[in-house]
Amino acid sequence: DAGVTQSPTHLIKTRGQQVTLRCSPKSGHDTVSWYQQALGQGPQFIFQYYEEEERQRGNFPDRFSGHQFPNYSSELNVNALLLGDSALYLCASSLLETDRSYEQYFGPGTRLTVT
Amino acid sequence: DAKTTQPPSMDCAEGRAANLPCNHSTISGNEYVYWYRQIHSQGPQYIIHGLKNNETNEMASLIITEDRKSSTLILPHATLRDTAVYYCIVSPSWGKLQFGAGTQVVVTP
Repeated sequence: DAGVTQSPTHLIKTRGQQVTLRCSPKSGHDTVSWYQQALGQGPQFIFQYYEEEERQRGNFPDRFSGHQFPNYSSELNVNALLLGDSALYLCASSLLETDRSYEQYFGPGTRLTVT
Repeated sequence: DAKTTQPPSMDCAEGRAANLPCNHSTISGNEYVYWYRQIHSQGPQYIIHGLKNNETNEMASLIITEDRKSSTLILPHATLRDTAVYYCIVSPSWGKLQFGAGTQVVVTP
């Protein structure tokens, strides 16, 4: 049973560029959440997708957008990259509206470096 | 801002119990207490959660005070593989996880 997978593992982009990160949820899960983790800090919630719609959003600008596909996989897009966007981006999946909705499974993350 | 307060770090001897405290004085009635941990270079891992009652699973025990304003995660027999950052989080069951800085636990031989 594959867990949460993310691609790519590492990425280097230049300030002002755009980036797309990808996530495949754990088999059977229908909900995907994205988090940003700066060095030395805890993960910060970006948004959550369920049934192909953004369900909740954290305190992130509109430069951060996402998408969920019918197979439950998800993409995180960041436009007009800033140096401060350099971080580890984590994807987490869960199964909503069940008695196990509390448990989120995290992927290994994508390390984004903006130069 | 995170709704929990944890000590920044603590050490524990291998084989001994590790007791990790967490204060969450503003917790709402519908919010659960979750514990996750993050081993270096990995994504966070769910440990345990609870609403009012004490909980135990194969990884740990969670003790929640009667007023729900604080809790303690207990790792009964710490091993070197338990070295990680431990996060205490309060959230509705379906809600976003709001991580704070966590507690860096170092288990020593």
